[in-house]
Formats: sequence, structure tokens, C-alpha cells
Amino acid sequence: ILNVEQSPQSLHVQEGDSTNFTCSFPSSNFYALHWYRWETAKSPEALFVMTLNGDEKKKGRISATLNTKEGYSYLYIKGSQPEDSATYLCASYGSGNTGKLIFGQGTTLQVKP
Amino acid sequence: NAGVTQTPKFQVLKTGQSMTLQCAQDMNHNSMYWYRQDPGMGLRLIYYSASEGTTDKGEVPNGYNVSRLNKREFSLRLESAAPSQTSVYFCASSRRGISNQPQHFGDGTRLSIL
Repeated sequence: ILNVEQSPQSLHVQEGDSTNFTCSFPSSNFYALHWYRWETAKSPEALFVMTLNGDEKKKGRISATLNTKEGYSYLYIKGSQPEDSATYLCASYGSGNTGKLIFGQGTTLQVKP
Repeated sequence: NAGVTQTPKFQVLKTGQSMTLQCAQDMNHNSMYWYRQDPGMGLRLIYYSASEGTTDKGEVPNGYNVSRLNKREFSLRLESAAPSQTSVYFCASSRRGISNQPQHFGDGTRLSIL
């Protein structure tokens, strides 16, 4: 069973603060790492899919980096806004690359105005 | 663009009743998935269909059956509902199983078993 772990479990920041979360995953048989944003009462929406070691992706104020050799990815939010409040999920494929995406438990971000 | 459509959005069942959750996608995706989401547990895969005509068990398949009716539709059936199956169920699809393309999720079905 592949363990995808995220930290911290929850985070409270003030508007304007920059923040980052961590996703760790087993580095063997790596294929891709997914990041999703999940707002309350909505469905998860894809932020990034990353495949290459050293990859960096950016979408507005949100960016992510990937280290496949050591098995971690960071998600950064620059100048957090209240609308960034959501749960951020990362996911990676199970051993044997069967196509089954395994999700971490998520980091819940609350941005206070 | 409808994307992934799930029906119903809400359902209350009594223990022992059966029901089928429906999912359809209009993105011509090959792969479809059923997840359940429980507090503190994240998203857990119930069943997965890599392509039309194939299905495979995920992490928590017990108590469920699935049917990949055609390329568009993937249904999840609870034959004899139990209170432990109270959860929010999400259907998702992707271009293909293992991929650098993201999964696209439906709006979820909130299911309560009394």
C-alpha cells in the first residue's frame, strides 16, 4: 500500500501571509504527483500534475515543486487571500503504476481577513 | 460543458435497502473512478475502470459492485446498505488510467444510511 502523507493537517493564516504545505510519497516506481484544491461543499479541482524531478509549476499565486528522488512535493501560496481557504490534496499512483491514484488526507487552509 | 454528472445528489436509505449511484461523463475519457470521502480519511478509492469493459477493486470495495455500462457511464451499487456506508461518494474520470492528466470530479452524492 502506498502511503501519501501531507503536513500540516490544518493551517490558519492571516490574509497576506505566504504559506506552504508538504506532500511526501514513496519515491520508488514514481509516475506522477497530482495536486487538487477542494473547497467546502464543492468537488476537488485539479491544480497541477507533475511528473519530472525538479519540476516547478505555477498558477497565479500558487506554485508547486517536485523532488522525485527524495519523495516530496511542496505547494506554496504567496499572499494568501480568504478565497484560498480550502483543503489541498496531493495524490500519487500506487505501486506497480496500476492507475489507482492514492490520495493524502489533505491540508486544510483557513485564511482570515 | 457538463463534465462529470452524478445522480442523485442526496439520498437517505434504511439499512438493508439497495440503490445504484449513477455517474456519466461527456469528455470521452477512458478511465472512471468511484471514491468515498469520510471525515479524517481523505478520498478512498472504491472501484476503478481503466476502460470500457474493465473494472478493478480499489482500497475499500467491500459492500459495493460496479458496472461500466459504456464509455460514458460508470455506476456504483450498494446491494444491502449498512450504516458504515454513510459517506459522500465522488465519481471521477480521466483520459486514461495512469496519466499526466488530472482527474475530473463530479459534485458528489451525499448518502445517509439509517
